[in-house]
Amino acid sequence: AQSVTQLGSHVSVSEGALVLLRCNYSSSVPPYLFWYVQYPNQGLQLLLKYTSAATLVKGINGFEAEFKKSETSFHLTKPSAHMSDAAEYFCAVSYNTDKLIFGTGTRLQVFP
Amino acid sequence: DAGVIQSPRHEVTEMGQEVTLRCKPISGHDYLFWYRQTMMRGLELLIYFNNNVPIDDSGMPEDRFSAKMPNASFSTLKIQPSEPRDSAVYFCASSLRRGFYGYTFGSGTRLTVV
Repeated sequence: AQSVTQLGSHVSVSEGALVLLRCNYSSSVPPYLFWYVQYPNQGLQLLLKYTSAATLVKGINGFEAEFKKSETSFHLTKPSAHMSDAAEYFCAVSYNTDKLIFGTGTRLQVFP
Repeated sequence: DAGVIQSPRHEVTEMGQEVTLRCKPISGHDYLFWYRQTMMRGLELLIYFNNNVPIDDSGMPEDRFSAKMPNASFSTLKIQPSEPRDSAVYFCASSLRRGFYGYTFGSGTRLTVV
């Protein structure tokens, strides 16, 4: 079955530290991959997406993600965390079908 | 573009009452999705439409739940009768061209059934 796995339901970093949120997908066909962010009491907002162009994708708020086919991964990174990055992050995958398959989410905490 | 618009933002109702949640998708989007989010189950897809036609309602939890899309600019999710376990945040999302562009989500309706 096609799925997406987010390793770590909670990640804590200090302000200014590297943010790394992990996402792996299971697929034998090229997927479309997405990262969404959800701030408290808000809907999900698209951070970035991979649709078979450049493997390194830059998104909003300084985030980026790299598609690695050999590792079936699409990890989200940010060089320096900011307090405002505290939120829940969802990885999602589509295989050119109607639906996105969402991961279970990773809650990012940023400590001063 | 105003984005996906959901109403109401908050709804508190008593058990047994009918609840109707509303969604206006982005103009031109041909897919509309209803999701439910809870702490226990995370994000669940309830139903989705393509060109106003329901395609997959396998996520609708019970017959108490129903959804309609009478035209391209409006959809409703109805719960009748409501129960406390229906308390959740309900999101509507719309998209263009299947999954290629991702979804645009509304701000959600927080439903509390007491």
